[in-house]
Amino acid sequence: QITLKESGPTLVKPTQTLTLTCTFSGSPLSTSGVGVGWIRQPPGKALEWLALILWNDDKRYSPSLKSRLTITKDTSKNQVVLTMTNMDPVDTATYYCAHRRILLGDYFDYWGQGTLVTVSS
Amino acid sequence: QSVLTQPPSVSAAPGQKVTISCSGSSSNIGNNYVSWYQQLPGTAPKLLIYDNNKRPSGIPDRFSGSKSGTSATLGITGLQTGDEADYYCGTWDTSLNVVFGGGTKLTVL
Repeated sequence: QITLKESGPTLVKPTQTLTLTCTFSGSPLSTSGVGVGWIRQPPGKALEWLALILWNDDKRYSPSLKSRLTITKDTSKNQVVLTMTNMDPVDTATYYCAHRRILLGDYFDYWGQGTLVTVSS
Repeated sequence: QSVLTQPPSVSAAPGQKVTISCSGSSSNIGNNYVSWYQQLPGTAPKLLIYDNNKRPSGIPDRFSGSKSGTSATLGITGLQTGDEADYYCGTWDTSLNVVFGGGTKLTVL
């Protein structure tokens, strides 16, 4: 069974940098064909993919947010960290991390519960 | 504005069938596999369909997926009140990487 859990601040001020940690179990990130991604969802709005890191350290970012995002992994700790710079109130959202499976197609097969991040002064 | 287009809402009576469409392009759906996610109110999304038409263990066969060209469809038969949720399609895009649809709210009348 694969489980993921997001952790980080619930409130950040505008212009600050957000750091979120995804701690997972049940699927080592060193395993070929797996990855961990970050997805966010503003209140009442749709899912928006942010970043993805794969077992081979390949990293992908949403083109619209690429300049603000950094994703890293610590395989020994089973953690993936996302940093987002220059936070703005429009970045207020629930942030999810999810396990990515890459076989025939690729998809997010397990999701964390999400963490609500509010950006306000 | 999502790259993948879904109807904002659909509705049907209990026991009936409903379909949710997801329209894309050759940059995404046309050349990649589609997945579908169910998000019940106040919860995280859950994988419903992957590789266009496969169901993860534990997903009832009332849920089905299909793909044709640059569009995909999620079908739900024998609707139950517990199916009321938001449904999202997702796939890979050659330029944008991971993309999701704008979501469809299913109401079981």
